[in-house]
Amino acid sequence: RKEVEQDPGPFNVPEGATVAFNCTYSNSASQSFFWYRQDCRKEPKLLMSVYSSGNEDGRFTAQLNRASQYISLLIRDSKLSDSATYLCVVNPNTDKLIFGTGTRLQVFP
Amino acid sequence: DAGVIQSPRHEVTEMGQEVTLRCKPISGHNSLFWYRQTMMRGLELLIYFNNNVPIDDSGMPEDRFSAKMPNASFSTLKIQPSEPRDSAVYFCASSLGGNNEKLFFGSGTQLSVL
Repeated sequence: RKEVEQDPGPFNVPEGATVAFNCTYSNSASQSFFWYRQDCRKEPKLLMSVYSSGNEDGRFTAQLNRASQYISLLIRDSKLSDSATYLCVVNPNTDKLIFGTGTRLQVFP
Repeated sequence: DAGVIQSPRHEVTEMGQEVTLRCKPISGHNSLFWYRQTMMRGLELLIYFNNNVPIDDSGMPEDRFSAKMPNASFSTLKIQPSEPRDSAVYFCASSLGGNNEKLFFGSGTQLSVL
């Protein structure tokens, strides 16, 4: 089983739609969780951290479910500019981050 | 502020040739990471350094790969000899250290080995 698993997509949604991605992780001792965004042919960039209590940043909401070992990212009112690959990232209580292979989102007009 | 700087942006070489990728981390960052990204395997950590010291190189595919960090502002990843299966995008990233929770990535080097 992979340490971090994501549905590769693509998720094709119209502008204004709400879309959610899930990510599962295998190490129950994992302490830190993040979502990174990667645009086509660009480097990954931190989108947001995921806290146990859940957190929201504008149209983006991230949640953590430790019991089921998954994290989620919800995007409301999708914009064309949200089109990208979203990488789920987990710190399995070590010094290094483990990246999922990403979920591709395509928002169309 | 300058971010993580990688060079070259693109490298095309023939099988068997030596390839050297370069990285300058953000000033003041204590940790440096080399990742490789392919469509099939996603982002894979190859090696990382803390305070210029290699901490974990378990991700380095084989002896053909080596990495150095002679000082806090420079690191290299060398492949010798290169093979077609090494073709990928190689990213360097740096962080302040500690839990290394926020990584800043360079623009990557697109390597093609023919």
